[in-house]
Amino acid sequence: DARVTQTPRHKVTEMGQEVTMRCQPILGHNTVFWYRQTMMQGLELLAYFRNRAPLDDSGMPKDRFSAEMPDATLATLKIQPSEPRDSAVYFCASGSGLRGNEQFFGPGTRLTVL
Amino acid sequence: DQQVKQNSPSLSVQEGRISILNCDYTNSMFDYFLWYKKYPAEGPTFLISISSIKDKNEDGRFTVFLNKSAKHLSLHIVPSQPGDSAVYFCAASGSNFGNEKLTFGTGTRLTIIP
Repeated sequence: DARVTQTPRHKVTEMGQEVTMRCQPILGHNTVFWYRQTMMQGLELLAYFRNRAPLDDSGMPKDRFSAEMPDATLATLKIQPSEPRDSAVYFCASGSGLRGNEQFFGPGTRLTVL
Repeated sequence: DQQVKQNSPSLSVQEGRISILNCDYTNSMFDYFLWYKKYPAEGPTFLISISSIKDKNEDGRFTVFLNKSAKHLSLHIVPSQPGDSAVYFCAASGSNFGNEKLTFGTGTRLTIIP
């Protein structure tokens, strides 16, 4: 049963601390997305990679957020320093290049910045 | 600028009746539309999609209608069941390949009343 995994599932931290979220995409999927869910904006795209290369990170605050794919099985999203307004649920999703193939989402990381 | 809009934050429907969820979009470049369903503490899961070359797609109890001239789509669920209670997100893409980024609406919380 192929699925996207994310760690940690929950993270509580204090303002100014570094936060790293990890994602393991479905094996064989060539594209990885990072989304953030907030009450006001719904699901907003932060960044995405295809074949490990960053394609679009225009949704991320560049001064504090960074996203990487060290290898095909791991994507990371880092916030440094974290702020209370970063509190949200962060989802990773992966997709293949197949026509009509939807994106598969992980369970999310719920981040609370105090 | 919200390119995909779901103007009803919530909807309550009696079990067995029809649920109709609506979505509007502004970007005429969108070519493929999807509905995702989300339960609490889980990631969104794909429900049904439609290409812009069609005006209707049906899958069991779920039907999506697309009106391109009005830039409007709707999801019909009939008959509604208690397990349908969830948040429903409308999403749009520039293509129907699973590795293209999605633009999501803010979601509609559907509650099915037994």
